[in-house]
This record gives sequence, structure tokens and C-alpha cells, in this order.
Amino acid sequence: KAGVTQTPRYLIKTRGQQVTLSCSPISGHRSVSWYQQTPGQGLQFLFEYFSETQRNKGNFPGRFSGRQFSNSRSEMNVSTLELGDSALYLCASSSVGPSGNTIYFGEGSWLTVV
Amino acid sequence: AQRVTQPEKLLSVFKGAPVELKCNYSYSGSPELFWYVQYSRQRLQLLLRHISRESIKGFTADLNKGETSFHLKKPFAQEEDSAMYYCALSGRGTSGSRLTFGEGTQLTVNP
Repeated sequence: KAGVTQTPRYLIKTRGQQVTLSCSPISGHRSVSWYQQTPGQGLQFLFEYFSETQRNKGNFPGRFSGRQFSNSRSEMNVSTLELGDSALYLCASSSVGPSGNTIYFGEGSWLTVV
Repeated sequence: AQRVTQPEKLLSVFKGAPVELKCNYSYSGSPELFWYVQYSRQRLQLLLRHISRESIKGFTADLNKGETSFHLKKPFAQEEDSAMYYCALSGRGTSGSRLTFGEGTQLTVNP
């Protein structure tokens, strides 16, 4: 079974630009969530989508948005990029089984804002 | 509100020594607790979950609801255990798949 796949793996953007990151979950997983990882703030939850609907949202400004498609693939978008948005963005997909949630992560997309 | 605390940012032990990575949590409901490991330049990997009560790579963790702790233990550390370890919490049933992570503990196992 293929794991969680994220594209692109690395990208450099300029302040003020916008960026779209893509995530393909594990086959059969309907929940996709996004996290931001930085040295200073650690791993912080951005949002979660389930069956094309946003189910949870973290404490990030409205510049951060996402969506999920009918095939469970997800994208996140950051508009008007700031230097502080430089981070590793992680996507996770999950399934709920008899023994609770099992959440798997992708390798991440490294975003550098200059 | 849910919160996870890992009091040690850095932990260094010698090969063959026991290791314990501490994790304390705060959550008003019934939590699911996880340990994730991140080796250098690799993805975050699920190490174990309290629900499954497994032992993975020699690591175990027991949920202590009285002390609200979920410490990770291994009796004999190996050099390949050197990595960043994150404790994480998810609220059962109510918060979907939202994980709250601790700050992480960088474990170094010296030869």
C-alpha cells in the first residue's frame, strides 16, 4: 500500500506570493489533516478534512486554507506569504478502526519564503 | 483544551542503558495517546499507541490516567534509537484526527 504522498517536496517562494501544496492520502483513508512544523513552534495543527468537509481547524490566520476532493486528495493554500511561513508542512491521513485512530504522515513539503 | 508536555528537550544515554522519555498530558475527556518518532531526514512515524498496548522496537508506554502521563521506556537503548520523539494526543470521538503534539525530545544514544 502506498503511503501518504506530498508534492512538491521543496519549494522557494517570495513574500507576497501564494503557494498550493498537494497531498494524496493512503488508499481508503477519508480523513486528511495538515500540520506546520517549525523549530520554534514545533508541530501545530492547521486543519482536517473528512469527506470533502473541514472537520477541525487550528489557530492559523485565514491566509491558510485547504480543501479536499471527492477522491480524498487534499490541497492546502497559503496566500500572501510571509517570511514566518517558512516551514515543513506535513499531511497526515487516517482511518478509524476498532482500536481507534491510526494516523500516518507524509514526508512533507519544505517551504522557504524569501 | 488539550495539552501535551515533554519536559526534556534533549536526552542523552549510553548504549545498553535504560531510557525513559517523559510525557504528561492535559485533557478533560478520554484521550488517545501516541508516540511518534522522526529519524534524521525521514518522515514522522507512528511508534506506538496506548490503545494497542504493543511493544515496538523494544519500546513500551503505559497510560497512567491518575498521573496523566504516557512515558516511553526501553530497557536497553541502541544507537539506532537516536531520533526525535514526539508524544501526541487525540481526543476520542470528538476531535476527529486532530493531534496535539508535545515539543519533542531529541534522544541521543552514545556508543
